[in-house]
Amino acid sequence: DSGVTQTPKHLITATGQRVTLRCSPRSGDLSVYWYQQSLDQGLQFLIQYYNGEERAKGNILERFSAQQFPDLHSELNLSSLELGDSALYFCASSLGGPHTGELFFGEGSRLTVL
Amino acid sequence: SQQGEEDPQALSIQEGENATMNCSYKTSINNLQWYRQNSGRGLVHLILIRSNEREKHSGRLRVTLDTSKKSSSLLITASRAADTASYFCATDQGAQKLVFGQGTRLTINP
Repeated sequence: DSGVTQTPKHLITATGQRVTLRCSPRSGDLSVYWYQQSLDQGLQFLIQYYNGEERAKGNILERFSAQQFPDLHSELNLSSLELGDSALYFCASSLGGPHTGELFFGEGSRLTVL
Repeated sequence: SQQGEEDPQALSIQEGENATMNCSYKTSINNLQWYRQNSGRGLVHLILIRSNEREKHSGRLRVTLDTSKKSSSLLITASRAADTASYFCATDQGAQKLVFGQGTRLTINP
């Protein structure tokens, strides 16, 4: 058990809809990362937050947004969903700092868009 | 793409043999990390090697890093069936980004 909790574990929805994925980081970790894993794209970095502030942005679509709340949990919002958004979405956390150390991953949220 | 590339994409060996996976990357890095992923599960951190280190060991794992060639290798000795998984290298390229490669699927045959 990594200590990182992601909900929901599975989600099935239709094209055009909006979903919210939630992540609770490991106790004491200030950084939260979001990754998307699909079969043909590997593990893609989406966005990273540190203590409530956005620190780095990767290949995140404009239809996607995220935030980290004062209690350090994070949410990833996916809107106007398309078939190609079907993937495993992982949240990971770390202590934070100038360099990226070990990440602790949750079990992921599997999104299926029909 | 700034992603690292693992080689081979898939590897199948007999239990007890050694498994070697390679990772190449394109930019300068602060550190390089290896992770394991069992099918459909979250990734688990295996080992981190800093840019000023050349070799690191952890149990049956041995990682090397050659920054002049921008490459790393992961050696798993005396493989076990439980080592069957996908293995990913990830590079800390600064700016708080940890970039993952496409992974190597390792199968250990009993």
